[in-house]
Amino acid sequence: GQNIDQPTEMTATEGAIVQINCTYQTSGFNGLFWYQQHAGEAPTFLSYNVLDGLEEKGRFSSFLSRSKGYSYLLLKELQMKDSASYLCAALDSNYQLIWGAGTKLIIKP
Amino acid sequence: NAGVTQTPKFRVLKTGQSMTLLCAQDMNHEYMYWYRQDPGMGLRLIHYSVGEGTTAKGEVPDGYNVSRLKKQNFLLGLESAAPSQTSVYFCASSSTTEDRQETQYFGPGTRLLVL
Repeated sequence: GQNIDQPTEMTATEGAIVQINCTYQTSGFNGLFWYQQHAGEAPTFLSYNVLDGLEEKGRFSSFLSRSKGYSYLLLKELQMKDSASYLCAALDSNYQLIWGAGTKLIIKP
Repeated sequence: NAGVTQTPKFRVLKTGQSMTLLCAQDMNHEYMYWYRQDPGMGLRLIHYSVGEGTTAKGEVPDGYNVSRLKKQNFLLGLESAAPSQTSVYFCASSSTTEDRQETQYFGPGTRLLVL
């Protein structure tokens, strides 16, 4: 079956760095997405990786290892507004997105 | 551009009632999707469409029907609502790109409560 695993909840301190891990098992693979979802709002696109390695976008970076079925989202210089759920999703061989349940990130002052 | 819009934002139904959720996008995207999101679970695909006049079943299609008569609109119907359909419903759209990235853009969601 197809499966995405990510931690349910994480806590971090304002100004610190946090890494949210995601492992995936899909029928074929065509890329890995990270989305951010604030409570009561829609998911918004953060990053896309299809090749191994690190993609950096400002305070956010995303890493992919296809051989390990593993990705992480790295958030630096955490701000209170980064308190949200972070959704990992893998694009399978049919170009369908398989979604993880999301990681709720709590930022403390 | 408004992006992806959904109506209504919130609705309460009684068991057995019917309703239609409307999704509209102004980005000229070919693909449109309906998801439901429940606590502790990932987004689950209900139905999707790869173009005007075409629809296909997703992971959890039972109890729902869809139509895509116009490229910009995607309707989700509940013929006879059940309490198990209490959820937040998200519509999304995407466009094919040369690298097949197909980023999905989401509407604000419809919160449905079935009593």
